[in-house]
Amino acid sequence: DVKVTQSSRYLVKRTGEKVFLECVQDMDHENMFWYRQDPGLGLRLIYFSYDVKMKEKGDIPEGYSVSREKKERFSLILESASTNQTSMYLCASKRVLIRNQPQHFGDGTRLSIL
Amino acid sequence: SQQGEEDPQALSIQEGENATMNCSYKTSINNLQWYRQNSGRGLVHLILIRSNEREKHSGRLRVTLDTSKKSSSLLITASRAADTASYFCATVPNNAGNMLTFGGGTRLMVKP
Repeated sequence: DVKVTQSSRYLVKRTGEKVFLECVQDMDHENMFWYRQDPGLGLRLIYFSYDVKMKEKGDIPEGYSVSREKKERFSLILESASTNQTSMYLCASKRVLIRNQPQHFGDGTRLSIL
Repeated sequence: SQQGEEDPQALSIQEGENATMNCSYKTSINNLQWYRQNSGRGLVHLILIRSNEREKHSGRLRVTLDTSKKSSSLLITASRAADTASYFCATVPNNAGNMLTFGGGTRLMVKP
């Protein structure tokens, strides 16, 4: 079974801090994704990565950056955290760029910015 | 913007009953996927149906797809308390690479 591990289940940070959310997958998947989930808004794509050192903006990249230095690890960075970035963050991975494949999700990080 | 919209937003049934959730979408798709999310957890993939398929089964799950109406339904038969979760449909549009676009989800509660 694919395992996608997010480093923290719960995280509390202060406004203005630089925040790192880490995600690791163990199935050698090329594609990795970061979403945020808010009540009433569903899941929205922040960034995704096709492969190592590759990244593409999703629907809501403002205020975020990402890093993919190794295939198994995809990091989401909040450069200067703000209260409107309080949310549930979900990481996912997927085998190559084939449409008829599901994404595999981690358990999420519930981030609170005070 | 959301591609899929689930209906109803919330559903409460008794154990043993069937649960039906609907999803509508806006653009032509390559495939449609259903995911389940238990409270406070990540999403788990349930079933994928391709645009040239009309119906698919997996255990107690039955998914239908009507591309002419741009809609899909997820039926859970003989529901159990453990089916209590949020259910999301997600589409892979034809003109948007391989990205998933999620709907807002249906919260299902199955009472024992």
